[in-house]
Amino acid sequence: GEDVEQSLFLSVREGDSSVINCTYTDSSSTYLYWYKQEPGAGLQLLTYIFSNMDMKQDQRLTVLLNKKDKHLSLRIADTQTGDSAIYFCAESPVGSGNTGKLIFGQGTTLQVKP
Amino acid sequence: EADIYQTPRYLVIGTGKKITLECSQTMGHDKMYWYQQDPGMELHLIHYSYGVNSTEKGDLSSESTVSRIRTEHFPLTLESARPSHTSQYLCATGVRYEQYFGPGTRLTVT
Repeated sequence: GEDVEQSLFLSVREGDSSVINCTYTDSSSTYLYWYKQEPGAGLQLLTYIFSNMDMKQDQRLTVLLNKKDKHLSLRIADTQTGDSAIYFCAESPVGSGNTGKLIFGQGTTLQVKP
Repeated sequence: EADIYQTPRYLVIGTGKKITLECSQTMGHDKMYWYQQDPGMELHLIHYSYGVNSTEKGDLSSESTVSRIRTEHFPLTLESARPSHTSQYLCATGVRYEQYFGPGTRLTVT
């Protein structure tokens, strides 16, 4: 079945790079996503990558996709205290058809220490 | 990005009450979704809609119901609230391959 797994917690120092990892099971997923959730707020779409791409960079964010291992990562360069949040990985399984349904991981809490 | 509004943001209500959580969007997106986010923070899809007069149940069984009479609104109703319904409810809209989320409603049933 469809499943998305993430580590639950990551702690880094301000200025370091953060790498948040995710594994997924549906190799036919067309798009893979990273969302950010700050306390008391909804989810903010950070970036997404099409399954035929290996890498996507957007300012401080770099997404790497290893389709063979079904592994997705989000690297945040020069991590700031404002990056502290929960980060969700999500996949859009091909079986979702036209619904646009997403399958989410359980979220990784990123703690940035000053 | 879509402008998505959810009201109320916080609601504390007693068991047995009927409640409606409102979700509205201003971008004219056809697809809309309701997710339930449990204390472990994982999100589960409970309802979705392709457009007006279209509603479908999601992956997680829910006692709530939804309606889509207008493109802009996708309200969620619980006829008789129970403590097990305590959760955060997130509404989202979809366009192409992107989903945009509202700020959520945190529901507590006592």
